[in-house]
Amino acid sequence: SSELTQDPAVSVALGQTVRITCQGDSLRNYFASWYRQQPGQAPILVMYGRDKRPSGIPDRISGSRSGNTASLTITGAQAEDEADYYCSSRDSSDNHVVFGGGTKLTVL
Amino acid sequence: QLQLQESGPGLVKPSETLSLTCTVSGGSISSSSSYWVWIRQTPGKGLEWIGSVFYTGSTYYKSSLKSRVTISADTSKNQFSLKLKSVTAADTAVYYCARDEGVAVAGTQIDYWGQGTLVTVSS
Repeated sequence: SSELTQDPAVSVALGQTVRITCQGDSLRNYFASWYRQQPGQAPILVMYGRDKRPSGIPDRISGSRSGNTASLTITGAQAEDEADYYCSSRDSSDNHVVFGGGTKLTVL
Repeated sequence: QLQLQESGPGLVKPSETLSLTCTVSGGSISSSSSYWVWIRQTPGKGLEWIGSVFYTGSTYYKSSLKSRVTISADTSKNQFSLKLKSVTAADTAVYYCARDEGVAVAGTQIDYWGQGTLVTVSS
């Protein structure tokens, strides 16, 4: 089965732009989706498909894909963006789901 | 507004079977655009997909758990369930049920999640 690789931790200064990346072979064939998880809460979907945001997610959050790498970009980082972010996609071989290991975003 | 709620024992003894049910309200699990999934998260760790079920009964399981997992759907009750047998302490985790609307998307779209339920494996 495929794997998705994320940097364990990333930091960004308040108001600056940060990119969180996710690498994996399955991303050549499938889009990534992205999830934000605050401590003690269930994850929420923040991006899916070709740069699609669920309702309520601000447009300062965007997504992209190039080759085997998907990226989540947060423009003008706010304190409330501090969270764990997970990428997910389908496994290339079947309908299995894979998650990245997660990136802890710290807003300084 | 779709809502999912996990239910089941919070404590399971080693070697026994973990059983959880997810009750879906505000929508039907008979949707042809949705997979219904179980995901778990070991304390302090990342998300792990366990498996998915389609309303037709088709199931998909994580390879490393396949020998121990059964996921089923009961469309008459609008519920789907997880059974994980021969549990050990390593199966202690928060278990989430969720909807993956990704049938029509070239990827995953897990847009609704239950609140999660902590299951501890201990004697």
